[in-house]
Amino acid sequence: AQSVTQPDIHITVSEGASLELRCNYSYGATPYLFWYVQSPGQGLQLLLKYFSGDTLVQGIKGFEAEFKRSQSSFNLRKPSVHWSDAAEYFCAVGYDYSGAGSYQLTFGKGTKLSVIP
Amino acid sequence: GAVVSQHPSWVICKSGTSVKIECRSLDFQATTMFWYRQFPKQSLMLMATSNEGSKATYEQGVEKDKFLINHASLTLSTLTVTSAHPEDSSFYICSARYRDRWRDTEAFFGQGTRLTVV
Repeated sequence: AQSVTQPDIHITVSEGASLELRCNYSYGATPYLFWYVQSPGQGLQLLLKYFSGDTLVQGIKGFEAEFKRSQSSFNLRKPSVHWSDAAEYFCAVGYDYSGAGSYQLTFGKGTKLSVIP
Repeated sequence: GAVVSQHPSWVICKSGTSVKIECRSLDFQATTMFWYRQFPKQSLMLMATSNEGSKATYEQGVEKDKFLINHASLTLSTLTVTSAHPEDSSFYICSARYRDRWRDTEAFFGQGTRLTVV
């Protein structure tokens, strides 16, 4: 069964510092990879996605992620964190087993980001 | 981007009553809609997947008679929690996606519904 691992449950960084949130996925067919962010009491907002092509993906709010097939990773990065980035971050993966472009999404357990002013 | 609207944002109901939650795709026709449940400080647990005009596919362990899902149109899916009990209190989130030329798009999420059963 496909799985996603976010090793860090909680990360605290100072405002202005760089950020990297880790995500590893179980090996499978062509992975579709996503990062979502959730503020308390809210739904999920897509930060960025990878379906194919360039392995360095740019997203909204200054975030980027790099797909590294050899490491089965899709880590999220931001060069300078803002206080408003404090939230829960979820990595998700889907596999197109049939080749028809359909997939089931599996979420990691999330990483809570706290930002120190 | 595509917008999914979920209503209500929060609801309090008495034990034994039923509650309906709506999920609408506002600017696209959703080929598939998903319902999740999220416990405090935990990840999302997929409850069911629904396609327009067909019966929902429930995940193992999810009671079909307790959580009724109807996907009446390409823009509307509803989740009805029947005979609600305090243990059904949770945060419920829907998502929807459509098919582009090559594949299913990413999932677009609603704002979530906080259900409290008293």
